[in-house]
Amino acid sequence: DTEVTQTPKHLVMGMTNKKSLKCEQHMGHRAMYWYKQKAKKPPELMFVYSYEKLSINESVPSRFSPECPNSSLLNLHLHALQPEDSALYLCASSQVPSGASTDTQYFGPGTRLTVL
Amino acid sequence: AQSVAQPEDQVNVAEGNPLTVKCTYSVSGNPYLFWYVQYPNRGLQFLLKYITGDNLVKGSYGFEAEFNKSQTSFHLKKPSALVSDSALYFCAVRDDTGGFKTIFGAGTRLFVKA
Repeated sequence: DTEVTQTPKHLVMGMTNKKSLKCEQHMGHRAMYWYKQKAKKPPELMFVYSYEKLSINESVPSRFSPECPNSSLLNLHLHALQPEDSALYLCASSQVPSGASTDTQYFGPGTRLTVL
Repeated sequence: AQSVAQPEDQVNVAEGNPLTVKCTYSVSGNPYLFWYVQYPNRGLQFLLKYITGDNLVKGSYGFEAEFNKSQTSFHLKKPSALVSDSALYFCAVRDDTGGFKTIFGAGTRLFVKA
């Protein structure tokens, strides 16, 4: 089973709202990722967790707050977002926590976020 | 520094004809190359990867890719295109310096006409 699930599928929020995106995998992977993807553009890496510890933060604004409560779950907490943050947010996981270059990332279907 | 280029924004092919989606790369160490496909409003699906060994890599859904070190290319191919292959294709690269970062190309949109 190479499935990564994400909820919700769609989210509309105002600039003053607080919401969370959720990601789950049961493949025993120990690295999990958040990407942001604008229409017709490649995914942009936001955060990487390895063994539930934040490994990479690609200078993402603090209005995005990641959390990895256990090895299967990854959350992205959203607060005071801007309309330009509207995008598809993708979660991914990979098996090798060392970030081995040969490792394959498996992606979830994404959450389509619209900020009004 | 790592980089990957997909020189074509769009590729058009008739159903039943062979298709090629081009990718070139630049890395400082040994290259590890990936192809992903994305259907509308969906996540990326892994197609295949090159790590080492045979330069012709076979992947999912009848796709294959040819690694050419001298030309620093990793073109995606399929002998007979299907309408259902129409999607956005991303080439991606890592090198052997380690780390979690994958560099994605800009993407190529493939249209297969019936």
